[in-house]
Amino acid sequence: ETGVTQTPRHLVMGMTNKKSLKCEQHLGHNAMYWYKQSAKKPLELMFVYNFKEQTENNSVPSRFSPECPNSSHLFLHLHTLQPEDSALYLCASSQEPVSYNEQFFGPGTRLTVL
Amino acid sequence: AQSVSQHNHHVILSEAASLELGCNYSYGGTVNLFWYVQYPGQHLQLLLKYFSGDPLVKGIKGFEAEFIKSKFSFNLRKPSVQWSDTAEYFCAVIGSGYSTLTFGKGTMLLVSP
Repeated sequence: ETGVTQTPRHLVMGMTNKKSLKCEQHLGHNAMYWYKQSAKKPLELMFVYNFKEQTENNSVPSRFSPECPNSSHLFLHLHTLQPEDSALYLCASSQEPVSYNEQFFGPGTRLTVL
Repeated sequence: AQSVSQHNHHVILSEAASLELGCNYSYGGTVNLFWYVQYPGQHLQLLLKYFSGDPLVKGIKGFEAEFIKSKFSFNLRKPSVQWSDTAEYFCAVIGSGYSTLTFGKGTMLLVSP
């Protein structure tokens, strides 16, 4: 247990569905991250939030919509996804989004888009 | 831009064999370097990290890594692997001018008993 939880752990959705991924951290951190982990590719940073404000959007398509209502919670809203969006989506947190802070990862949500 | 290259995508070893996983990064300035491990079905967790000081860093479970600045490398080593070391290993870098990690593609290590 890293103190970062994600729900659901597995999700299967059609291309016309709307779903949301949830991440919660119990570490008192101020920065939260969404990553995409696809087979045979490096982890791809998607979004960074610092003190609830989005500080990075790594050219992510608009069908992925993040929301950070407070420093402990992070959501990723999904709509009209494509099959190539199937991947493991990881949430992470750190004290601050600076180079010397370790990131703690959640277990991920395995997403399959049919 | 910062980037990370891991040389081996798959490594297969027998128990008690020695391990070295290669990692090279591309960034001209000061860097912080990390090795993360992902055991089957589990979350990514930190093995070890280098920020400054002694370039030979020791992590959990008997792993160590050496930062060689002249070679832009941060190779992971373990003298004698165990079956429980079967996992995927990720090298990551963050340069002094950046606020986010860049990961390598990962190396899948399979240790046969």
